[in-house]
This record gives sequence, C-alpha cells and structure tokens, in this order.
Amino acid sequence: GAGVSQSPRYKVAKRGQDVALRCDPISGHVSLFWYQQALGQGPEFLTYFQNEAQLDKSGLPSDRFFAERPEGSVSTLKIQRTQQEDSAVYLCASSLARIQPQHFGDGTRLSIL
Amino acid sequence: AQSVSQHNHHVILSEAASLELGCNYSYGGTVNLFWYVQYPGQHLQLLLKYFSGDPLVKGIKGFEAEFIKSKFSFNLRKPSVQWSDTAEYFCAVKDGQNFVFGPGTRLSVLP
Repeated sequence: GAGVSQSPRYKVAKRGQDVALRCDPISGHVSLFWYQQALGQGPEFLTYFQNEAQLDKSGLPSDRFFAERPEGSVSTLKIQRTQQEDSAVYLCASSLARIQPQHFGDGTRLSIL
Repeated sequence: AQSVSQHNHHVILSEAASLELGCNYSYGGTVNLFWYVQYPGQHLQLLLKYFSGDPLVKGIKGFEAEFIKSKFSFNLRKPSVQWSDTAEYFCAVKDGQNFVFGPGTRLSVLP
C-alpha cells in the first residue's frame, strides 16, 4: 500500500520476553519517527531517524529500548526484557523531511502480561 | 521543555452543534502547529497545519484552527459537526526538533 505499514498489529508477550516491532515507511520518506502512546495519552516521542542515521534517541525510556533502520527504509523497534509498563501502542510515522507533516501507521498494540 | 495542553478530555455534542477544541502550548518562539485526528480503529491523520502566514488555517472536512500567538493557543473549530466526526483529536507542536503532542480530546457526536 501507499501508507506507513506496521506489524504486528497486536502483540502479547510475557514479562521478561524480548519483542520486535516493524515499521515500513512510505517509500522515499527520509524521516522516520517512533512514538509510544499509553492508554488515554497522546503519542510520546521515542526516537528519530534520518535515512539510516538515528539522530535523536532522547525519548527512549530505558536502555531496554533499541531501534534501528539499517538500510534507511524499514525500521525495527526492539524492547528487551519487557515490563508491564511497556504496554502501549507504538506508532511509527514517516515524512519527506523532518519539518514536513508526518504520516502515521496504524500502530502496534503491545500488551505485557 | 515544550508542553501541550488540551482543555477537554471528552466532549459530547449533538449533530449540527458547533465545535471548539482548545489547545495551548507552553513555550513561545517559532513553532509549527498541527491538529491530528484518529478515527476509531484507524491511524492518526493530519487535519490541518500552521507554519506561517494567515493565522486562520483551513483544513479538511470543514475544520479550521486559529493561531493566536499572544495566547499560545491553536484552537480547532467546526461550525456544524457530524456523527462521522466522532474521533480523538490531538494537537501537536513542533518546537525545534521534535513533535510534542497533547493528551487528546475525545469527541462523541450523537446522531
């Protein structure tokens, strides 16, 4: 499709497991963002990529969170040793450039039991 | 650090009523302002944006927003809502490098 694609849509994991969330941005979009949206809250910034370079990871809540975009297109957000507080919707967005409006994917709803 | 507040957590209106959703940000200077909408079960979509120029911005589906710099506000308006406007609305501010989103306002329009 033409939009931002995220997979899986839903992920349930036991506390302590590692999870990997995938984002396929719109083709040609240089900028890619990850957000965390807790229940009843607005999206909170996690990290930003320009092509393959991770230029800002100031929003990552702990060193258990790791993101990569090795070829400047698909990105993966990995969470190690998951905790219950990691339960949230993880949104990916892409844009032609950082200043341009972002196109959001449907998100991955992560539930940690 | 920049913060964004939205005045109402949940707004309930009847069809044809007028809508105004409040949005205030904390830090002045040059900002870009956005309203996003998230329909039930769907992803966030851009409603409208303000970068510069006319502070009254027209968006899709009959929405508009007015940037009032002196009040640090960017309120969203629609003269007559429809049942299909039922959704969650997020105000966002781009201040320097990153987007900061408000907590969202849920709008329920009763048929």
